[in-house]
Amino acid sequence: DAGVIQSPRHEVTEMGQEVTLRCKPISGHNSLFWYRQTMMRGLELLIYFNNNVPIDDSGMPEDRFSAKMPNASFSTLKIQPSEPRDSAVYFCASSFRPVWSNNSPLHFGNGTRLTVT
Amino acid sequence: AQTVTQSQPEMSVQEAETVTLSCTYDTSESDYYLFWYKQPPSRQMILVIRQEAYKQQNATENRFSVNFQKAAKSFSLKISDSQLGDAAMYFCAYRASGGYQKVTFGTGTKLQVIP
Repeated sequence: DAGVIQSPRHEVTEMGQEVTLRCKPISGHNSLFWYRQTMMRGLELLIYFNNNVPIDDSGMPEDRFSAKMPNASFSTLKIQPSEPRDSAVYFCASSFRPVWSNNSPLHFGNGTRLTVT
Repeated sequence: AQTVTQSQPEMSVQEAETVTLSCTYDTSESDYYLFWYKQPPSRQMILVIRQEAYKQQNATENRFSVNFQKAAKSFSLKISDSQLGDAAMYFCAYRASGGYQKVTFGTGTKLQVIP
C-alpha cells in the first residue's frame, strides 16, 4: 500500500494567491482528516470527512478555507486568498472506521509545507 | 473538552538506554483510546503504539511500551534500548469512544538520542 499521498510536498506562494492542497487516502479507508501543524498551536484538526461527507468542519479557521472530497480517493483543501499566517504544514490523514469501533488509528501523509510570503 | 498535556518539550537519552516520555490527559469519559505517534525529520506521523482504556494490560510493541494509569489519567511511553532512529518528535493523542470523536494531540516531546 502506498499510504496516504499528499501533494505538493512544498508550496511557496504570495499573499492573496489561491492555494490547493491535495490528498489521496489509503484505498478502503472511509475517514479522512485535514490537520494543520504550527509551532504555536501544534496539530489542529481542520475538517473531518466520513464516507466523503464533511462531518466536522469546526476547525476550519475562516471562510478562506474550504475542503472537498468528491470521491473516496481524493480530497482537496483550498485557501483563497492565502495569507502569511496560513504558513504551516498541512497533513492529510485517513483511517478505516468500522461502525462499531473508534479504535482505528490515523495514517498520515507526509504533509505539505506551505509558505505564504 | 478533552486536553492532552506533554510537559516535557525536549528529552535526551544515550543510545541503548531507556527513556520515558510523559503524557497526561483530561477527560470525563470512561471509554477511550490513547495513542503515541512519532514524527521524524521526514515529517510523516507514524503510529507507535495504542492503548484501549478498558484494557488493564499495558500495550507493548517491541522496544516500545506504555504505562497506562487510568485513575491518574497518565499515559507514558517507555523506549528501551534507544536507537539513533528513535530521534523524533513524539505526540500523545486521545480519542473518546463511540460515535465520531476527533483525535486530540499533545504539543509533543522532542527526543534526542545521543550516540
